[in-house]
Amino acid sequence: IVLTQSPVTLSLSPGERATLSCRASETISTFLAWYQQKPGQAPRLLVYDASNRAPGIPARFSGSGSGTDFTLTISSLEPEDFAVYHCQQRNRWPLTFGGGTRVELK
Amino acid sequence: EVQLLESGGGLVQPGGSLRLSCAVSGFTLSSNIYGMTWVRQAPGQGLEWVATLGDTGDISYYADSVKGRFTVSRDTSKNTVSLQMNSLRDDDTAVYYCARSYYNRFDPWGQGTLVTVSS
Repeated sequence: IVLTQSPVTLSLSPGERATLSCRASETISTFLAWYQQKPGQAPRLLVYDASNRAPGIPARFSGSGSGTDFTLTISSLEPEDFAVYHCQQRNRWPLTFGGGTRVELK
Repeated sequence: EVQLLESGGGLVQPGGSLRLSCAVSGFTLSSNIYGMTWVRQAPGQGLEWVATLGDTGDISYYADSVKGRFTVSRDTSKNTVSLQMNSLRDDDTAVYYCARSYYNRFDPWGQGTLVTVSS
């Protein structure tokens, strides 16, 4: 299953809303997770099963979608949110990741 | 607190072998609740799932790119997971992360270990 993330880069300012997309090449129900990765760090789970925030993740992060189209929304960007975001499907093997979206400071 | 610590990375020649380890703390593998997964990231690239060992330790899954060359295993007495990598190729160069798997979502991750395949 191929996951296509868009845009590749998102240039925004603190306080703005970020909307990231992940599209699957076939239906994956809600078996999608989102991860955040900062430079030089390991990824961190943000959202699982499309819309469930992982423990300790701030409420400004929200996920939605089902089937083939998914969205990660950051309601109001904080300085620490500028990072790369990856989506990942667990509907079937092999597990796959999207190519990532970089959220950068405008 | 759950912590994962990878080790064993380094420089290896094409065709060579390397064994990565992931030391687990904060939970026990023998509980058979969590699987363990390896994910890699080539320099400047995205994430690539490599292998997953199921929660009971007796089933494993591999990406086509490593099938037949890599083997994932665990040692419950040491609470560690290993990735044996044989017949290494240039395109295996990457940071390798281990991560705890629960319903095939990965949380948390280790800090990663760099594997460089080069002559």
